[in-house]
Amino acid sequence: DAGVIQSPRHEVTEMGQEVTLRCKPISGHNSLFWYRQTMMRGLELLIYFNNNVPIDDSGMPEDRFSAKMPNASFSTLKIQPSEPRDSAVYFCASSLRTQGVNEQFFGPGTRLTVL
Amino acid sequence: AQTVTQSQPEMSVQEAETVTLSCTYDTSESDYYLFWYKQPPSRQMILVIRQEAYKQQNATENRFSVNFQKAAKSFSLKISDSQLGDAAMYFCAYEGGANSKLTFGKGITLSVRP
Repeated sequence: DAGVIQSPRHEVTEMGQEVTLRCKPISGHNSLFWYRQTMMRGLELLIYFNNNVPIDDSGMPEDRFSAKMPNASFSTLKIQPSEPRDSAVYFCASSLRTQGVNEQFFGPGTRLTVL
Repeated sequence: AQTVTQSQPEMSVQEAETVTLSCTYDTSESDYYLFWYKQPPSRQMILVIRQEAYKQQNATENRFSVNFQKAAKSFSLKISDSQLGDAAMYFCAYEGGANSKLTFGKGITLSVRP
């Protein structure tokens, strides 16, 4: 299995532009998570989906952020308009939610720089 | 709300020696899971070890083991025979309750001296 796939790996954009981050979870996994990592705030959960349905989006910082999961093999995180404070590494993770421990497998992350 | 605390921002260990990384957490749940993740400079998050709270036996994975003290809400990671490749940032994480959310600590940067 290729693991969790994220694209792009790096993104540099200017303030005010729209940014779309993409994630392909591991085939067969039914839960998907979006995290943001910064020096100041560490790793934060933004939103997670179970069976393509958003379960908890309380970590989404503001209305400029939105996430979708149109099917079991694809999710997007969109920032519109982007701001310099959105600069961070964004991780996508997936897991197979069953009874018991649910190990999350992380993608390589997307490093976003907003100028 | 659950919280995970890693109070040591940095640690250093001599190659081949043993090092222990500390983690405490706060929860009102009785059933939960604890994890240690490694993040090398490549920034890939790699699961090192996990512990189910209902298990009294401490988890072990090769050179990595944990000291799980449920009453004290403590979950430390011991790395034996440290290797240069162990140099990374290590995150303690908690998952519990009715959802699959992981709550991470701030992380600790481990350096290994040759």
